[in-house]
Amino acid sequence: GAGVSQSPSNKVTEKGKDVELRCDPISGHTALYWYRQSLGQGLEFLIYFQGNSAPDKSGLPSDRFSAERTGGSVSTLTIQRTQQEDSAVYLCASSLTNTNTASPYFGPGTRLTVT
Amino acid sequence: DAKTTQPPSMDCAEGRAANLPCNHSTISGNEYVYWYRQIHSQGPQYIIHGLKNNETNEMASLIITEDRKSSTLILPHATLRDTAVYYCIVSKNNNAGNMLTFGGGTRLMVKP
Repeated sequence: GAGVSQSPSNKVTEKGKDVELRCDPISGHTALYWYRQSLGQGLEFLIYFQGNSAPDKSGLPSDRFSAERTGGSVSTLTIQRTQQEDSAVYLCASSLTNTNTASPYFGPGTRLTVT
Repeated sequence: DAKTTQPPSMDCAEGRAANLPCNHSTISGNEYVYWYRQIHSQGPQYIIHGLKNNETNEMASLIITEDRKSSTLILPHATLRDTAVYYCIVSKNNNAGNMLTFGGGTRLMVKP
């Protein structure tokens, strides 16, 4: 079946511009996660959704970052006034439920480059 | 989440079994052990997970010691395409999301 999809696959933007990154989770998956991975670094957790609610926003690095999820499906991660340190691969994952028995499946990521 | 310790790198000959160890000595009773891998420039790929019993699927086998303080991921016949960074993760038990904490992982190099 279809996996997690993300768009765009690559995004180049100028410093100071806003960007929106999209995630389409696996159909029926109620939990959705955003991570980012800077060049040569490990994965950093950003935010988690259960349905349309985000009970854990602790990983968002600054108030320039926000995310929403609508209809319990598609999620959008928005970065306002982008900075060069925002350059990274942004990864989305989804899992069937919000328990630790449900394996998150990752999408291919969006590579963001801020010039 | 319980901390995991993995060797930073390993080599394996093509066609041989790759055995990747992981220590998780502070694991709690209801925490699962997850394994993912990340091939260069791709998103992490789920491999397998388990609680206390050994598990096997089409990709790999997971052997968890009886005291659950360590585990081994086994790729029975490694191929060049198995070259990747392998992550062992312990997932805490709650109903508040399965946020995975990725460490440094083991960089497996499969050589011809």
